[in-house]
Amino acid sequence: NAGVTQTPKFRVLKTGQSMTLLCAQDMNHEYMYWYRQDPGMGLRLIHYSVGEGTTAKGEVPDGYNVSRLKKQNFLLGLESAAPSQTSVYFCATGDGSYEQYFGPGTRLTVT
Amino acid sequence: GENVEQHPSTLSVQEGDSAVIKCTYSDSASNYFPWYKQELGKRPQLIIDIRSNVGEKKDQRIAVTLNKTAKHFSLHITETQPEDSAVYFCADTGRRALTFGSGTRLQVQP
Repeated sequence: NAGVTQTPKFRVLKTGQSMTLLCAQDMNHEYMYWYRQDPGMGLRLIHYSVGEGTTAKGEVPDGYNVSRLKKQNFLLGLESAAPSQTSVYFCATGDGSYEQYFGPGTRLTVT
Repeated sequence: GENVEQHPSTLSVQEGDSAVIKCTYSDSASNYFPWYKQELGKRPQLIIDIRSNVGEKKDQRIAVTLNKTAKHFSLHITETQPEDSAVYFCADTGRRALTFGSGTRLQVQP
């Protein structure tokens, strides 16, 4: 029982490159979330999903896209990376009762 | 919620003392208030939460109090230990997901 996992753990991109972050869960949770964490700013919601095939925008969605083709996976895409997207990205899951379970995070640097 | 303010941003206490972190929120519809602890380089971990139908909840050395009228809630840690050193985040229920405060870095001096 792995819980919530994220791939990759670290990545360095050049400006303009694209990449996809993968979040996988084996908790059978309907809700999945993507947050970014910048120093001194807490966690900010990028996009979220309330079930397979659904996605919705959060607080800071610009520059990101997401897909939830399977219940257990939630993908976060950066089509054209910018230095402002340098951050730590956390995925979280929940069963709808508000409590959220976080993945280990992905540290992304855009140069 | 729409906005969550957290104070202080840093807090240093002596081992054995108590620590209090406060958060205020603006969304009167919020009804769930968790506290997360994040150690350096690790993921946030839920340590305690409270729902709007109670005013206080305790779990060993930690407690959370909620004042819905004033729209604020607080984390209380008693008999602090060096392993309590971490960043603590409050949050409240947003219409879409949790809204987090900006965090408090707690340093417990041995």
